[in-house]
This record gives sequence, C-alpha cells and structure tokens, in this order.
Amino acid sequence: NAGVMQNPRHLVRRRGQEARLRCSPMKGHSHVYWYRQLPEEGLKFMVYLQKENIIDESGMPKERFSAEFPKEGPSILRIQQVVRGDSAAYFCASSLNRGPIGTDTQYFGPGTRLTVL
Amino acid sequence: QQQVKQSPQSLIVQKGGISIINCAYENTAFDYFPWYQQFPGKGPALLIAIRPDVSEKKEGRFTISFNKSAKQFSLHIMDSQPGDSATYFCAAPLSYQLIWGAGTKLIIKP
Repeated sequence: NAGVMQNPRHLVRRRGQEARLRCSPMKGHSHVYWYRQLPEEGLKFMVYLQKENIIDESGMPKERFSAEFPKEGPSILRIQQVVRGDSAAYFCASSLNRGPIGTDTQYFGPGTRLTVL
Repeated sequence: QQQVKQSPQSLIVQKGGISIINCAYENTAFDYFPWYQQFPGKGPALLIAIRPDVSEKKEGRFTISFNKSAKQFSLHIMDSQPGDSATYFCAAPLSYQLIWGAGTKLIIKP
C-alpha cells in the first residue's frame, strides 16, 4: 500500500509566478490536510478537505492560496503570485476517517519544498 | 491557549543514554498527544501517542509520560542509538488540525 505521495518534491518559482502542489492520499483515505513548515519550526495547519469539500481552511492565507480535492485525482494546493515569504516545505497528510477528535492518525507525505527566487 | 510548548530546542545524547523531550500545553480540551519523528528531507511519521486517561505508554525503547495536572507530557528514548537522530515534534489535536510544538533536534553521538 503506497503511502501519501506528493509532487513535485522540489519546486522553484520566481516571484509572481504560480505554484501548484499535488497530493495523492493513501489508498482508501478521503481526508486530506495541508501543512506548511518553515525552517527550524513546527508544522502549521493550513486546510482540511474531504472529496469535493473544504471543511476547514482557517489556517490558509485569505489571498493567493487555494486548495481543492476533486472527486477524481489528487488534492491541489495552489499559490498564485508567489512571494519570497512563501518559501517553505508544504506537507500533505491523509487519514482514513474523521472520527472523534484526535483518534485518527494522519499519515504524512514527503513534502514539497518550494523556493521562491 | 492553543500552543504546545516544546523543549529543549536541541539535544545531544551519547549512544546508549536516555533522551528526554518535554512538552507543555494550556488547552485542557486537548485529549490526544502524539509524537512525530522527522528525518531530514522527509515528512513526519507518527512515533507514539497517548490519551490523558493513562499516565504512561511504552512502545519498545520509546515511552510517553503524561502528567495531566501539570499539563505536561514527555518522550523518553531509552538506549538511544545514532539512528534515532532526527527532529521530534509533539502535537495535540484541536478540531480538525494538529497543533505542533516547535521541534527538538536530537543528535545521538556514537
């Protein structure tokens, strides 16, 4: 059973360009979470999605950032008009269920390291 | 109130020694406390987790100790090995998200 897959692993963009990060959850998982990690820091929650629905986007910047998890295909985190401050590692996690709080393990992908020049 | 405070920021332990990492929290609504291990260039992986209805949980060389009254929990790595060198994060769930500590970079010296 393949784990959570993310691509690309490394992405370099110039300021003002768009970045698209993809996440394929573990087989059978329909819950996807995106986190951002700055160097030497812990992860910060961005958004939680189920198939075709955004459940909680409280951690996502209001502008330039969007996320989707379509019925078919991977989840996409999209950053428009990137700035240097967007440089970070972006991790996707998936879980099987969304049962009682905290009981369902989130499995993480290897991350996408975004560098904005 | 939503923070999880982790210490130390970095830790160097001799091979065979005990590594201890501590976390403190404020929000009493937290009811599940996982520890994640992250190697350079990799995503975090769940190491061990505890619920507040028990004071200790052990899995192999890894033990979580939980002090509900002090709102603290800690990770103990017994007989630390060079392969344990990684960054360790404590976390706690709040609604749909995990709130993360800042991480502890652990180095095990041979």
